[in-house]
Amino acid sequence: GESVGLHLPTLSVQEGDNSIINCAYSNSASDYFIWYKQESGKGPQFIIDIRSNMDKRQGQRVTVLLNKTVKHLSLQIAATQPGDSAVYFCAETPNTGNQFYFGTGTSLTVIP
Amino acid sequence: GAVVSQHPSWVICKSGTSVKIECRSLDFQATTMFWYRQFPKQSLMLMATSNEGSKATYEQGVEKDKFLINHASLTLSTLTVTSAHPEDSSFYICSAREWGAGGNQPQHFGDGTRLSIL
Repeated sequence: GESVGLHLPTLSVQEGDNSIINCAYSNSASDYFIWYKQESGKGPQFIIDIRSNMDKRQGQRVTVLLNKTVKHLSLQIAATQPGDSAVYFCAETPNTGNQFYFGTGTSLTVIP
Repeated sequence: GAVVSQHPSWVICKSGTSVKIECRSLDFQATTMFWYRQFPKQSLMLMATSNEGSKATYEQGVEKDKFLINHASLTLSTLTVTSAHPEDSSFYICSAREWGAGGNQPQHFGDGTRLSIL
C-alpha cells in the first residue's frame, strides 16, 4: 500500500531560525499534497497545499517544495516562533477518490 | 472559512455507555466526512469515510456495529461509540471535505473529542 513517511520524528530549532520538515511519499499517482499542523489536544490545522503541476508554493512564512522525481515534499517555516511548536503532518492523495495518506508526523520544538 | 465543529470536546463515562460525537461543517457543504482515531504521539488512523445519504465505508479492522456513523445532511455527521469499554478510550477526530470547482480540496478537521471510558 501507499506510505507517506517523514525523515525526522523530532526537530528542535532556535527561535528566529528557519525550520525545514521533510516528507517522503511512495505513490507516483499522488497529485495533491497538504501540510497540517497539530497542536496538543487539537485537530490538525491546514497550513498549505500544493498540486503536482507545481514544485513550489509560498504562504505566509511557509513554503512547500515538491520534488516529484524523488517523491519528496518539504515544509519550510521562516523565522520560526514559539507558536510554531506542534506536530506537522504531510498528507497526499491521488486525483481519484477520497483517500488521504498521512505521514507519521514531525514534532517541532522551538527553543526561545 | 472552512470551519469544522466537533462536539463534545471531552467525554468521561462509565463502561457500557454509548457515546455520540457530532461533526458539523459550519460554512460549507461536505459531501464527504471522515472519522479518525489518534493514539498518543501517533499519526491519524482512518476509521471510516462517510458520504451524505449513503452508508459509511469502514476501514479494515473497524467494527461497524461498534462505531455507528450517520451522515444525514451535507453539514452533519455523527459517530456513536456503542457500549464503550476502556479500550475505546482515545482521541477521535472528524474532518470534512468540500469538492471545489478547482479540483482537489483539503480535508478540514474538527478539534477532536477526547473519550475516556472508566
